[in-house]
Amino acid sequence: TAGITQAPTSQILAAGRSMTLRCTQDMRHNAMYWYRQDLGLGLRLIHYSNTAGTTGKGEVPDGYSVSRANTDDFPLTLASAVPSQTSVYFCASSDSRGFEQFFGPGTRLTVL
Amino acid sequence: KQEVTQIPAALSVPEGENLVLNCSFTDSAIYNLQWFRQDPGKGLTSLLLIQSSQREQTSGRLNASLDKSSGRSTLYIAASQPGDSATYLCAVNLSNYQLIWGAGTKLIIKP
Repeated sequence: TAGITQAPTSQILAAGRSMTLRCTQDMRHNAMYWYRQDLGLGLRLIHYSNTAGTTGKGEVPDGYSVSRANTDDFPLTLASAVPSQTSVYFCASSDSRGFEQFFGPGTRLTVL
Repeated sequence: KQEVTQIPAALSVPEGENLVLNCSFTDSAIYNLQWFRQDPGKGLTSLLLIQSSQREQTSGRLNASLDKSSGRSTLYIAASQPGDSATYLCAVNLSNYQLIWGAGTKLIIKP
């Protein structure tokens, strides 16, 4: 079982460029999440989606957008990247029973 | 505002010892609490999930307890092994979808 896949594994991006981080889950979970993890700050929620067709803002949503066209995919878009968006990004999902969250392997993004 | 604290930030113990990692939270109105493991440069692996109505959960050598009234959870690791070396994170679930995270405890098991 693949679980949650993220792409790319890592990326170096010039400031001002746009980029979409991809996330796909095969567990048919209703809810999906995007976190960023920064040294000394821990994990912070960027956006979440309770179910296909709905999205919500987390703790640090500015500069990011998401969409949830179907159950399996939850892409995260940076419209105009800035150096402060250098981080490791994790996608996660949970079902409606117990709400245990499962994580993807992460994308390491460097914005120069 | 819910805050989650993990103490100690780092811990180094000899192989074979039993150990306890601590997690405290300021607001007892939680839905559940989850313990994760993170290896360097890797993603997070869910270890144990404790619902607010439960007192403990066990998986193999791991046992997690929850005391909502005191705002505390512990992760007990029995007979530690070098492969247990990792960062351990706890997170409390305030609602169906929002986790509040501790900063983690970095555990090193010395052979």
